[in-house]
Amino acid sequence: DGGITQSPKYLFRKEGQNVTLSCEQNLNHDAMYWYRQDPGQGLRLIYYSQIVNDFQKGDIAEGYSVSREKKESFPLTVTSAQKNPTAFYLCASSPSTGSYNEQFFGPGTRLTVL
Amino acid sequence: GENVEQHPSTLSVQEGDSAVIKCTYSDSASNYFPWYKQELGKRPQLIIDIRSNVGEKKDQRIAVTLNKTAKHFSLHITETQPEDSAVYFCAATYSWGKLQFGAGTQVVVTP
Repeated sequence: DGGITQSPKYLFRKEGQNVTLSCEQNLNHDAMYWYRQDPGQGLRLIYYSQIVNDFQKGDIAEGYSVSREKKESFPLTVTSAQKNPTAFYLCASSPSTGSYNEQFFGPGTRLTVL
Repeated sequence: GENVEQHPSTLSVQEGDSAVIKCTYSDSASNYFPWYKQELGKRPQLIIDIRSNVGEKKDQRIAVTLNKTAKHFSLHITETQPEDSAVYFCAATYSWGKLQFGAGTQVVVTP
């Protein structure tokens, strides 16, 4: 699991600011994912990417944006349009988006709105 | 899309007893069912998974069963130990390998 890194570990945002969360993997995985985790809830998919230069919205994409310019990198921007961004954000990767592919998670970024 | 329900939300067991967590899913096309363990403040880690062509899988004290007809699958932990205390998530695949997660079960093992 050390093949996926996220930074920063903690992030504080003022209302109206955009912030970008970093996710890097050296596993040579094609697929990457961003999840949001709130207390008492499971992981909810924000965006995912099957290959470089391509990504799709997940279940809760509003107020978020992503890019996939390099295979190993999938940064997530939390925009000011996201009204309740305080949460634990997890990045994951898998060899591909086919079935039977384990998703490997990064250590997470805890975002707090001040 | 897929909907995954997980029960119970909290589970308290005595050390040495067994723990069972149950999940149901809605998409009959789902064919891969992983279970993740997440300790407080840490990342989820895969502990066991099962494919749709198998009814049961065991790995030491952990086992998973799958009933495709009823669309439910369960995690069984035997001889529980304090280090088993964590939140456990079930998940099911849908639409090109995406995972739909259950809401999680907080397991507390008391000595």
